Amino acid sequence: EAEVAQSPRYKITEKSQAVAFWCDPISGHATLYWYRQILGQGPELLVQFQDESVVDDSQLPKDRFSAERLKGVDSTLKIQPAELGDSAMYLCASSLRSARSGYTFGSGTRLTVV
Amino acid sequence: DQQVKQNSPSLSVQEGRISILNCDYTNSMFDYFLWYKKYPAEGPTFLISISSIKDKNEDGRFTVFLNKSAKHLSLHIVPSQPGDSAVYFCAAIRDRGSTLGRLYFGRGTQLTVWP
Repeated sequence: EAEVAQSPRYKITEKSQAVAFWCDPISGHATLYWYRQILGQGPELLVQFQDESVVDDSQLPKDRFSAERLKGVDSTLKIQPAELGDSAMYLCASSLRSARSGYTFGSGTRLTVV
Repeated sequence: DQQVKQNSPSLSVQEGRISILNCDYTNSMFDYFLWYKKYPAEGPTFLISISSIKDKNEDGRFTVFLNKSAKHLSLHIVPSQPGDSAVYFCAAIRDRGSTLGRLYFGRGTQLTVWP
């Protein structure tokens, strides 16, 4: 069964350092999403890509977060500098075109900022 | 502003009994609803969904009911099994026909099924 691959699975970083997460969606999935799940809350969308273009980054804290999907395939989410409040699970998901075709989530990256 | 609400953080049910998980929403623009199941250290996995034009959808042991007038949906699991123990998230999509596919999630309900 096709999966969304994410790495690393776990990351511990010090406050003010830079950190990056990688996601490889299911082959052929044009739409890629990055969500953040803070403990005790539901996932919240950070950014949505359609192919290589950003279509929704309204919830992305752009002063410290950036995301790219240069060739419309895999994607990188970066935080610089990391803050204590960024500790969370970062989830990547992909779908064929729009949400109507269903989402598949990866296993996530658990970030701890110390 | 939480547009999807799961007011019960936890639910404990005996094996073989029915589990009922509830979800309320505030945005009348939502037209598609989903339930996800999540184990620790894993991503959410899709369970079942329902369109706003229906009031019930069934898949094996899982049934989702939608009451649009009350802006309420529920997930029924019958019979409950210990392997069902997980966090269950309710999610909604606004304008499913749009390419903007943002899912709005509730905070989740931890279901524990004991033998």
